[in-house]
Amino acid sequence: AQSVTQLGSHVSVSEGALVLLRCNYSSSVPPYLFWYVQYPNQGLQLLLKYTTGATLVKGINGFEAEFKKSETSFHLTKPSAHMSDAAEYFCAVSDHGGSQGNLIFGKGTKLSVKP
Amino acid sequence: EADIYQTPRYLVIGTGKKITLECSQTMGHDKMYWYQQDPGMELHLIHYSYGVNSTEKGDLSSESTVSRIRTEHFPLTLESARPSHTSQYLCASSAYRGQVNEKLFFGSGTQLSVL
Repeated sequence: AQSVTQLGSHVSVSEGALVLLRCNYSSSVPPYLFWYVQYPNQGLQLLLKYTTGATLVKGINGFEAEFKKSETSFHLTKPSAHMSDAAEYFCAVSDHGGSQGNLIFGKGTKLSVKP
Repeated sequence: EADIYQTPRYLVIGTGKKITLECSQTMGHDKMYWYQQDPGMELHLIHYSYGVNSTEKGDLSSESTVSRIRTEHFPLTLESARPSHTSQYLCASSAYRGQVNEKLFFGSGTQLSVL
């Protein structure tokens, strides 16, 4: 069965600092992996996704994530945090592998950005 | 960008009442979903639909029911609300093109409190 684990329910960084949000997955088939972001009082929005091909994927707002099969990880990074990045971030994996399944989400990581 | 709407945004109701949470999308998406979200916990899929007259149960057992009579409308009903149903309910949709799931678009959610 597929699952995701997000390490750290709350991460706090200073404005301009590196953002690193950790996600490890478990999947019995080649995974499709996703990061979604939820701003306060809004629905989740897709930030980026990995399907096949290039393991470094770039998303919106300067975020990127790297699929590392050997580490079963899909960590989200951004070189320089901005105040507007404060939100909750969810990692997800497709439950049947590939593009046919439904998404299984992690518990989320709340990102705070200090001035 | 997201044209998916949930009403009401907040609902406080007494035990035993029947409630319906509304979800509508104007994007013509075939696939729709209901997720349940509690603070610090994973989003859990409780229902989904591939299209009109299709409803499926998700990975989390729920006493709620859903219907899909029209493509754009996917309401969730609780026949008799209980305090254990207190949670945030998120509706989502995606363009399901045969075997390919496109990205999910989420509504802003309904926060349900059952007293």
